[in-house]
This record gives sequence, C-alpha cells and structure tokens, in this order.
Amino acid sequence: NAGVTQTPKFQVLKTGQSMTLQCAQDMNHEYMSWYRQDPGMGLRLIHYSVGAGITDQGEVPNGYNVSRSTTEDFPLRLLSAAPSQTSVYFCASSRGTGLLTEAFFGQGTRLTVV
Amino acid sequence: TQLLEQSPQFLSIQEGENLTVYCNSSSVFSSLQWYRQEPGEGPVLLVTVVTGGEVKKLKRLTFQFGDARKDSSLHITAAQPGDTGLYLCAGSWGNEKLTFGTGTRLTIIP
Repeated sequence: NAGVTQTPKFQVLKTGQSMTLQCAQDMNHEYMSWYRQDPGMGLRLIHYSVGAGITDQGEVPNGYNVSRSTTEDFPLRLLSAAPSQTSVYFCASSRGTGLLTEAFFGQGTRLTVV
Repeated sequence: TQLLEQSPQFLSIQEGENLTVYCNSSSVFSSLQWYRQEPGEGPVLLVTVVTGGEVKKLKRLTFQFGDARKDSSLHITAAQPGDTGLYLCAGSWGNEKLTFGTGTRLTIIP
C-alpha cells in the first residue's frame, strides 16, 4: 500500500547544482502535482499534470521543469539550484477534478540549497 | 491568483477546550477541503464540502461551509493532544488545481 512515494527525503545542494526529485504513485491516478511548502505560506503549486504527456505551470514554476512520460511517475527537475529554492517539496496525486480532487501526498523532500 | 486566508495562524489551547479555525476567500468555491498535516508528513484529507451551508461531522470535528460558499470553519470539541498539527483548507474553483490556504498550526497542551 505505497500510495505516493517521494525520493530523496533530504537533500543538500550547492548553488548552481541541478537535481531531480522523484515522485511515483501506484493508484493509477491521472492527476499529479508538485507543491512547495514554506513557513507561513502554505502549499504553493509549482507544476501539475492531468495525464501522461500533459503538463502545465502552477503558481511558482520558475526554476523548475517537469515531464510526465508515464501515469506513475512525475519527476521535478531543478535546473540550477538557488537558495530561494530551499523548501519542503510535496508531490500529490488524485483521481481527477472537482469532487474527485482528494489529493494524496507523499512524505515530502526537504531541500536545502547552500 | 485566488487567495485563501486562514485564521488564526497559530493556536495553542489546553486539552479539553473547544476551538474554531476559519478559512476565507473573496471568491466562490466549487468545493472546499480540509487537510491535517503532522510533522514530517504530507497533508491528509479530512473532509470535502461542496454545498453552501453544508455541515459535516467527523467524530469531534465539525466542518461548516458558508452559505455563499466563500468561507468555511472547522470546530473541534474537547481538543486532545492527538489533534495537534497543521490544518490546511484547500479550495477548488471548478478546474483541476487546488489552492491551499496558509494554514493554522494547532497545539493542544496536555
């Protein structure tokens, strides 16, 4: 009963480095999304996908790329890490939209950029 | 950008007391959800409300959706230490994207 799995759980990067945060779900959900959580700011949407091959930008997309080659996987790429990207990142999936938007979250990746 | 404001931002009360937290927006929601998040974990859905004036109960938690579907409240009766956590509301305005509020961090003191 894995649900949404994120790796790694913790990561420290140097400014300018790149990395990929992994997210996988085993619930056959069409809709997946990435959020970042900063103190006092709740969860802010970075990118989302409504199905394999389809992605779109959320509220704070700059500095991040995504792709969705399969239903199960939705990796988030940081192209050139900056200290402003220090945050906790959550991946979520849901069956669909409207009343089906119960979001299931992973445990998060705590990223520090130094 | 549609905004969800939650109040209070922090709340610390004694075990056994009652409390209410609020979620407000200037826009009409299609649906609204409440999540609870514990340290080191992702948020977990508590309830979804969709009809203006709707009231849902989950044991000691009572969720109310405003008549105009612009606001919601969460009332906890006889709070227990296990209720400690970050409570987040999230609104949907008829599209795929959920917008989350800033959260209320609740601490129940034994």
